[in-house]
Amino acid sequence: DGGITQSPKYLFRKEGQNVTLSCEQNLNHDAMYWYRQDPGQGLRLIYYSQIVNDFQKGDIAEGYSVSREKKESFPLTVTSAQKNPTAFYLCASSISNLAYEQYFGPGTRLTVT
Amino acid sequence: QQQVKQSPQSLIVQKGGISIINCAYENTAFDYFPWYQQFPGKGPALLIAIRPDVSEKKEGRFTISFNKSAKQFSLHIMDSQPGDSATYFCAARQLGAGGTSYGKLTFGQGTILTVHP
Repeated sequence: DGGITQSPKYLFRKEGQNVTLSCEQNLNHDAMYWYRQDPGQGLRLIYYSQIVNDFQKGDIAEGYSVSREKKESFPLTVTSAQKNPTAFYLCASSISNLAYEQYFGPGTRLTVT
Repeated sequence: QQQVKQSPQSLIVQKGGISIINCAYENTAFDYFPWYQQFPGKGPALLIAIRPDVSEKKEGRFTISFNKSAKQFSLHIMDSQPGDSATYFCAARQLGAGGTSYGKLTFGQGTILTVHP
């Protein structure tokens, strides 16, 4: 059963702590993306990756970091430098870097207090 | 800067009615316009998409209308059903954003659709 998995579904952290969100895909897709979803603001691109060991900043990369050591995995670290980290985070993948159909995971809701 | 503006923010429709969601853009480099549907607690899923050389695309009860000169496009849901209740996002793709050859999607703010039985 192919798809994208994100874990955990809910995550709670104290302010000042770094936290890493997991994203795994078994679709054999080259491109992967991280979005942040806030009410009334749509989906905003944090980082994206075309291939292994390659990634680019999106529109709101400040306070976030990523790695792409394996084709299947694209973890996102929310650092203490992110001023407003509480949000719903979505990982997506697409078969190529041309960003046609993107397949989304179920998301991780991060709450930082 | 919001490059794709979506309206309304929320929409309530009776079962059997027509739901209409509108989007407008400024960037003429956009070349592909998808709509995504998101149910609560889930990730978005592609619903329907259109290219700017086509004025209308229909898939079942869902239709995209595209007006290139006005830089506007809209989603029409005919015979709306309670199961259509979800958040809908329009999006626009640009190739070569940021000096790369990559495609990048820019999303609208989303519309929460509620269909009453």
